[in-house]
Amino acid sequence: KQEVTQIPAALSVPEGENLVLNCSFTDSAIYNLQWFRQDPGKGLTSLLLIQSSQREQTSGRLNASLDKSSGRSTLYIAASQPGDSATYLCATDKIIFGKGTRLHILP
Amino acid sequence: GAVVSQHPSWVICKSGTSVKIECRSLDFQATTMFWYRQFPKQSLMLMATSNEGSKATYEQGVEKDKFLINHASLTLSTLTVTSAHPEDSSFYICSAEDNANTEAFFGQGTRLTVV
Repeated sequence: KQEVTQIPAALSVPEGENLVLNCSFTDSAIYNLQWFRQDPGKGLTSLLLIQSSQREQTSGRLNASLDKSSGRSTLYIAASQPGDSATYLCATDKIIFGKGTRLHILP
Repeated sequence: GAVVSQHPSWVICKSGTSVKIECRSLDFQATTMFWYRQFPKQSLMLMATSNEGSKATYEQGVEKDKFLINHASLTLSTLTVTSAHPEDSSFYICSAEDNANTEAFFGQGTRLTVV
């Protein structure tokens, strides 16, 4: 059974820093992996979708990588801003979610 | 980008009553929609997968008679929580998959409180 783990559970960094969020999964037989952002009490906003045949996707200051063989994905956020503060979730095949990383960018 | 609208955004109901939550894809057709439940500080848990025109597929441990799902059109799926109890209080989120089966687009969520 697929299990998705996100480390760290929470992270606070000063504004302007680059940071990496980690996502690992136990079953490498996935079709895709997706990163989401969730603000408190809100739904999910899709950030990046990586198909199993891809290694990375980029959107603005965000870059997500996928290494299926090792069961890992990372979300890289460049030049962090206070508005980036949220919980970031990864999910395999839109079905199995990690518990998320609560990110707090300090002004 | 694709928009999924979920309604209502919050609802309070009395124990024993039923509540219907709607999930609509506004600018695309969704053959598949997903329903999730999220408890505080927990991740999303998939409840069921809803395919247009057919019965929903429920995840293990989810009571299909309690959580009724209807996906009668390519743009609308509904989740009805029947005979709600306080332990059903949670954040319910839907998502819709476009026909290209690529990204999943999520609704804003519904905060259900059963008193």
